Amino acid sequence: AQTVTQSQPEMSVQEAETVTLSCTYDTSESNYYLFWYKQPPSRQMILVIRQEAYKQQNATENRFSVNFQKAAKSFSLKISDSQLGDTAMYFCAFMKDFGNEKLTFGTGTRLTIIP
Amino acid sequence: DVKVTQSSRYLVKRTGEKVFLECVQDMDHENMFWYRQDPGLGLRLIYFSYDVKMKEKGDIPEGYSVSREKKERFSLILESASTNQTSMYLCASSGTGIYQPQHFGDGTRLSIL
Repeated sequence: AQTVTQSQPEMSVQEAETVTLSCTYDTSESNYYLFWYKQPPSRQMILVIRQEAYKQQNATENRFSVNFQKAAKSFSLKISDSQLGDTAMYFCAFMKDFGNEKLTFGTGTRLTIIP
Repeated sequence: DVKVTQSSRYLVKRTGEKVFLECVQDMDHENMFWYRQDPGLGLRLIYFSYDVKMKEKGDIPEGYSVSREKKERFSLILESASTNQTSMYLCASSGTGIYQPQHFGDGTRLSIL
């Protein structure tokens, strides 16, 4: 079974700073997919970014980027130029492969952006 | 935009009651999911369905059942509610294919007294 670990329950940074959220996972699969989801205080979960394990290039989406280290089984999320709207719970998630679209989530990191 | 609608935002029930949580999606998605979210535990999958009348147990199915009679609707049933089922419940849906993200509803905060 897969496990996903987020070791930072809470973080806070000043607005405009850069912050990195950590995620490690454990799997014996060779191909899989990793995701970061964001849950703002209004509670609807939305997808931030995804990474396919077979791609060596790190995914980026505007101010959000990942550092994917397959050998180390690490998948961190970097938020640049943080904004007040980035305040949310962030969940790292793992999907084994398509045809089995179940997600395994980490326990989450509560990020607060301080004005 | 995909819309996943959960019937109640807040719900209060009593121990022993049969509780129904409803979820409807408007994107003709094949897959639908029920999660439970608890502080410090993240999201845990209760059940999921990959087609009408098809279901599969997730990580924590005990005390729950599901029903999917129509493609757009996925119901979570607490057969006999207990206080340890007090939690936030999230529904999600996704299509199948190369990549289809899960789309989530707003959640139902359920309290069992």
